[in-house]
This record gives sequence, C-alpha cells and structure tokens, in this order.
Amino acid sequence: QVQLQQWGAGLLKPSETLSLTCAVYGESISGYYWSWIRQPPGKGLEWIGDINQSGSTNYTPSLKSRVTISLDTSRNQFSLTVSSVTAADTAAYYCAREKEVTGFSRGSYFYYYFIDVWGSGTTVTVSS
Amino acid sequence: DIQMTQSPSSLSASLGDRVTITCRASQSISSYLNWYQQKPGKAPNLLIYGVSTLQSGVPLRFSGSGSGADFTLTISSLQPEDFATYYCQQSFSTPRTFGQGTRVEIK
Repeated sequence: QVQLQQWGAGLLKPSETLSLTCAVYGESISGYYWSWIRQPPGKGLEWIGDINQSGSTNYTPSLKSRVTISLDTSRNQFSLTVSSVTAADTAAYYCAREKEVTGFSRGSYFYYYFIDVWGSGTTVTVSS
Repeated sequence: DIQMTQSPSSLSASLGDRVTITCRASQSISSYLNWYQQKPGKAPNLLIYGVSTLQSGVPLRFSGSGSGADFTLTISSLQPEDFATYYCQQSFSTPRTFGQGTRVEIK
C-alpha cells in the first residue's frame, strides 16, 4: 500500500522560503504525477501544482513565480519550495499522488486524473 | 483558470436523508470531474472520479452524475460518517481547481 510521509518547517517569518519534502513508500515514484495542495485555516482546497516522472511541472498561475516542485527519483521523494512567503501562505500543505486512468468510451479517448493518495499534511504558519 | 462553483455552501440534513450537492464549471469540462470528502483535521479522501466512477471502497450510497459544466453528487441515505465537507475538482486542464466546498451538518 502506497504511503506518503511529508515533513518540513512549520513556522516561518515573512520573506523566508517554505520547503517541504514528501517521501513515497510502497512503490516507485516513477509512473505517476505528484502534487501539492494547500488549505488555509477554515478555507477550501487550493491546488498548487504537480510534477510527472519526467520532471515536467504544472503550477497554478497565482503562485507560479514563487513555487518550485522537484523530484528526487534516487530517494523516491518530491519537494515543494515557496519563496518570499507572507501570512497569506499560512495553510496546511498536503502532498499527494495524482493517478491517471485512460480509456476509450463513446468514440473518444479519455484521460482521467484524480488524487487517490494523500499525505497527512503539514501545518505551515507564517508570522513575524 | 476554470472556476468551480458548488451549491449550497452548507446544508443541514438528518440521518437517512437523500442529499444532493451541485458543482458548476465556468466552461465545459466534459467528464473530467472528481469528488472528495474531507473530515476535520484530516486529508481529503477520493469518492468519485470521471463524474460517476466510485473509488474502490466507497459505499454505494454515493453517486455522481452530469456532463459538460453541471454535475451532482448524491448521497442516497445519509449515514453518521457522512457528515463532512465535500469538494468537487476539475481535471480537464491545469490548474486543477477545486470548488469552495459544501459542508454537510447534522440537523
């Protein structure tokens, strides 16, 4: 059974860099997309971005200038950095596996992506 | 970005009630729609992908329907463990945006 274990600093000052790492246990990191999602206190889910086995990334536009997601296949880990944090970056951060299911139905191909495995979350607080 | 709008934002229901949550996309997303359940202090849990395919282990009282831009999550008979917040998410394009959530509370 796949498990994700995440860690990183939980308290940051404004302008510092947030750094989180997620280790994948139970399977190879190759062959899937790996995502980061965050959730501010009392609010909804925000998709930050993802990375595939080739290292190709996608980021949400509002964070793209400050975010980097990277892959370390030798350690079976992936990481998130967010630079120049502010109080608005205070949130629970989740790492996750994004699974792809492909098929053919009603005359066309489909490519479903969904998050089926989640880390337990890391609470990050930005405060001076 | 594709905007996802859920309604209602919250609802109160009793055990055994049939509950329906709606999710509307700002453009057509075909059948690229997922549903998640989240309980307080926990990571979300996948319920449904591709509009209507139940994730393994999800009870049959959960179902999804819709196409294009309008989708529905239905719980046929609300159970105690179903009181939670539900999110839709589109996977038609990146960024893979979520709805704002629907909180299901006990009446």
